[in-house]
Amino acid sequence: KQEVTQIPAALSVPEGENLVLNCSFTDSAIYNLQWFRQDPGKGLTSLLLIQSSQREQTSGRLNASLDKSSGRSTLYIAASQPGDSATYLCAVAGGGNKLTFGTGTQLKVEL
Amino acid sequence: DAGITQSPRYKITETGRQVTLMCHQTWSHSYMFWYRQDLGHGLRLIYYSAAADITDKGEVPDGYVVSRSKTENFPLTLESATRSQTSVYFCASSDSRTSNEKLFFGSGTQLSVL
Repeated sequence: KQEVTQIPAALSVPEGENLVLNCSFTDSAIYNLQWFRQDPGKGLTSLLLIQSSQREQTSGRLNASLDKSSGRSTLYIAASQPGDSATYLCAVAGGGNKLTFGTGTQLKVEL
Repeated sequence: DAGITQSPRYKITETGRQVTLMCHQTWSHSYMFWYRQDLGHGLRLIYYSAAADITDKGEVPDGYVVSRSKTENFPLTLESATRSQTSVYFCASSDSRTSNEKLFFGSGTQLSVL
């Protein structure tokens, strides 16, 4: 059974700092890995999708990497802003695009 | 408006009652999913559907029933609600021909079973 772990569970940083969120998974037989953002009381928004054959994806200040063989992914956020405050979830896709989620990292970016 | 919509947004019901959560998407996505989100467990897959009239169990299907007679709708029914089914329920869809497509989520239904 696939298990996804995210560390740290919570993180507080000052505005402008670069930061890294970590995700690890136990079964390397995945189709893709996705990073989501969830704001309080809201649904999930897909940020980045890395296919199993890729090593990284970038969108604006976000960069996600994937090391499938070691079962790890990182989400790098550059020059963090208060608007980045949210919970970030990592999920890996098995067959049928079924996702297994981590429990998330709650990020707070302070002024 | 295009997108994926869930209703109701909030629901309070009593133990033993039947309740149906609705999900509608306008993209004609083939795949649809129901997840529940609980503190300490994250999101867990309840049921999913690869196409109309095709559904399958996820990780936590007990106590739930789904149907998909039309591509755009994927209702989730709790046949006899229990307190352990108090949760936030999310519907999602994707157009997965290659299993490499992003998932799009609805805003969720917060269900309380008293």
